[in-house]
Amino acid sequence: QQQVKQSPQSLIVQKGGISIINCAYENTAFDYFPWYQQFPGKGPALLIAIRPDVSEKKEGRFTISFNKSAKQFSLHIMDSQPGDSATYFCAASDGSWGKFQFGAGTQVVVTP
Amino acid sequence: DSGVTQTPKHLITATGQRVTLRCSPRSGDLSVYWYQQSLDQGLQFLIQYYNGEERAKGNILERFSAQQFPDLHSELNLSSLELGDSALYFCASSVAPGNTGELFFGEGSRLTVL
Repeated sequence: QQQVKQSPQSLIVQKGGISIINCAYENTAFDYFPWYQQFPGKGPALLIAIRPDVSEKKEGRFTISFNKSAKQFSLHIMDSQPGDSATYFCAASDGSWGKFQFGAGTQVVVTP
Repeated sequence: DSGVTQTPKHLITATGQRVTLRCSPRSGDLSVYWYQQSLDQGLQFLIQYYNGEERAKGNILERFSAQQFPDLHSELNLSSLELGDSALYFCASSVAPGNTGELFFGEGSRLTVL
């Protein structure tokens, strides 16, 4: 059972555009929501993370928006660059053993 | 470089065989996780160890087993391999025993079962 549902599966955006990836969860005990970025041939690497006490977190061109009541969070990539082309995974954790659930991933392609 | 080392990077074997994947966590990290990544399944959690003890099991098949040794490196053993076991297997490590901190992933071991 997928505890974290991620969409879309893939998206293509032009350079300079905005990429938006959405995730939804059911478990209200989740209290840590990271996003991981994975380039081909590499392991996922932490990009940005948020906790439910804030509704938004921004790091450079990357922003997480968090809606606790809707149990949804999203990643916005502003001014998308070809170097942002990668697979992005959302995840959620409640701090207990093994409860680090990943979404299915979104392949982002930024065209020049 | 995440500091997590996985070997081998690539492995090709036949159905019915047994393989062992090895992981060395980041220096100082006590917790090791194993994930399976296939094209249509995303990252599937297999198992987690903390300081040598199994702490959580996910969707790990009975044909698979793992352990974490006193020097904290971990091995994932896959036996009676089937075509469907072909995937990328990732090891990750973290400092915290729970799961609210960053996971550091290795570059993965790509297993191909023919």
